[in-house]
Amino acid sequence: DNVMTQSPLSLSVTPGEPASISCRSSQSLLHSNGYSYVDWYLQKPGQSPQLLIYLGSNRASGVPDRISGSGSGTDFTLKISRVEAEDVGVYYCMETLQSPYTFGQGTKLEIK
Amino acid sequence: EVQLLESGGGLVQPGGSLRLSCAASGFTFTTSAVTWVRQAPGKGLEWVSSFRGSGGAASYADSVKGRFTISRDNSKNTVYLQTHSLTAEDTAVYYCAKYLYAHSYYGIDVWGQGTTVTVSS
Repeated sequence: DNVMTQSPLSLSVTPGEPASISCRSSQSLLHSNGYSYVDWYLQKPGQSPQLLIYLGSNRASGVPDRISGSGSGTDFTLKISRVEAEDVGVYYCMETLQSPYTFGQGTKLEIK
Repeated sequence: EVQLLESGGGLVQPGGSLRLSCAASGFTFTTSAVTWVRQAPGKGLEWVSSFRGSGGAASYADSVKGRFTISRDNSKNTVYLQTHSLTAEDTAVYYCAKYLYAHSYYGIDVWGQGTTVTVSS
């Protein structure tokens, strides 16, 4: 089975500063159609997860453009250009190429 | 508004069974791919099962294969997760969710609030 490894597992960021989360897959997630099959989710405290990014770099509806996804193959990155208080929570990457569809361990983002 | 409402969780003894339900409003399951994702207490997310609105075989995590079955009742616009032979490792909040598109397993854009399953004697 594919393994998704996130780093760091936690980060503390000053509001207005950037943040970056890495997700490494043990197998390539690049489909023959040219898309990388990785999603990013944010689970805010006490809430259900919410979709941020799908197919590696496509922003979900309502997601601010200060949040972006990039990468291809086995290495992916979620970037927040300017962290705000509402960004607090646990971020997960998820591979969506083939079953079983595995999540990363999660990265907890806190505000300094 | 598109919403999902899970029910059916509760306390069950090891070896027992539960049927979790997920009722949809604002869309129909026949045109959506659906998934169940669970989260053990204090742990991360774990994909459990998915199936496409267009039909075809469902997919299951190895940890639940042969014990869990996903199904739907189109007349009730409800998806079910039938669970059997439950163990303490199945204790979790179970989320029902839908994918962006009917034919593809990417982009889980709508999530329910979750229903809690506790397996304990």
